[in-house]
Amino acid sequence: KAGVTQTPRYLIKTRGQQVTLSCSPISGHRSVSWYQQTPGQGLQFLFEYFSETQRNKGNFPGRFSGRQFSNSRSEMNVSTLELGDSALYLCASRLAGTNTDTQYFGPGTRLTVL
Amino acid sequence: LAKTTQPISMDSYEGQEVNITCSHNNIATNDYITWYQQFPSQGPRFIIQGYKTKVTNEVASLFIPADRKSSTLSLPRVSLSDTAVYYCLVGVLVYQLIWGAGTKLIIKP
Repeated sequence: KAGVTQTPRYLIKTRGQQVTLSCSPISGHRSVSWYQQTPGQGLQFLFEYFSETQRNKGNFPGRFSGRQFSNSRSEMNVSTLELGDSALYLCASRLAGTNTDTQYFGPGTRLTVL
Repeated sequence: LAKTTQPISMDSYEGQEVNITCSHNNIATNDYITWYQQFPSQGPRFIIQGYKTKVTNEVASLFIPADRKSSTLSLPRVSLSDTAVYYCLVGVLVYQLIWGAGTKLIIKP
């Protein structure tokens, strides 16, 4: 079974631009979560989608948004990019989104904001 | 939210057994203990999860004492490819999990 895939793997943007990242979960998985990882803050939860609905949201500004499609694929959007948004963005999928379901992470998208 | 404390770094040698201990004094009754491994510029990879006593799978064992205030991840016969950061997570709800700095494990030849 194919793992979680994320596109693109690397991205360079400038301040003020917006970016859209894509995540394809493992086939059959309905829950997708997004995380931001930086050297200073570590891995931080952004939001979780389940059956096209945002189920949980972390403590990030409204510039960070996401959505999930009927095939469980998910996209994350960051508007008005800031230098501090440079990070590794990870998505993780889970089977049914129950509390003890194992999260399977993708390889991440490395975003650099200049 | 259960905060965890684990060593910042550890060194070991190929072929040795490595034990990484995680302290979680305020673990809640419903909380599970989960360990992930992460290589540079890759997403974390699930290693093992447990609630109490001992859990073993093909790559690791997880020991949890009766009071559940700590847990130990045991990696048997490590190799160079086990060099990575290991995260101990305590909780149930993904959005409440606190990913600390993890333990940077360096395996030497």
